[in-house]
Amino acid sequence: GESVGLHLPTLSVQEGDNSIINCAYSNSASDYFIWYKQESGKGPQFIIDIRSNMDKRQGQRVTVLLNKTVKHLSLQIAATQPGDSAVYFCAESRNSGNTPLVFGKGTRLSVIA
Amino acid sequence: DGGITQSPKYLFRKEGQNVTLSCEQNLNHDAMYWYRQDPGQGLRLIYYSQIVNDFQKGDIAEGYSVSREKKESFPLTVTSAQKNPTAFYLCASRSDGQGVHEQYFGPGTRLTVT
Repeated sequence: GESVGLHLPTLSVQEGDNSIINCAYSNSASDYFIWYKQESGKGPQFIIDIRSNMDKRQGQRVTVLLNKTVKHLSLQIAATQPGDSAVYFCAESRNSGNTPLVFGKGTRLSVIA
Repeated sequence: DGGITQSPKYLFRKEGQNVTLSCEQNLNHDAMYWYRQDPGQGLRLIYYSQIVNDFQKGDIAEGYSVSREKKESFPLTVTSAQKNPTAFYLCASRSDGQGVHEQYFGPGTRLTVT
């Protein structure tokens, strides 16, 4: 069946350093991937997405990398700030996002000031 | 949280009672979703609707029911048949227009059943 997982459940990073959060997916038919940030007690907030016809996409301080060969997705956060502390989820979908997203369990990012 | 509202933020019920969680969106989105989140866990899909008057079961639909009478509204009823209803419930919506559209979430409702 479909599954989306994360390599590390927790990640601690020094303020100002770069963060890398990894995600593995198992469905080779997935063609749309998305990263969310969730702060405690709040709904997930969209960060960035990428389609399978791309290997890399950049946003403001964030970059998503997609390696379809090994079914791996990563989120890079540059110059990590205390406000980046949250749980980060990756999710995958098929049909350009028209099938429901399948979420991983999440990685908690803690930024050390 | 965009234009998606969920109410109330906290909800308390006694075991055996049905309870309805509200989800409204003013984004003119076609698709709406309900997820359940347990502590330290990811999101699991309960129900989704891609068009008015139609909806599909997700991975954990047992003990829940939904309706989609209006495009803006997708209420979720947690019935007494749901064995472990205490959780954080999240509603989301997404446009189904041409192209790829990201999914946006509401602020969530934390339901506690005792």
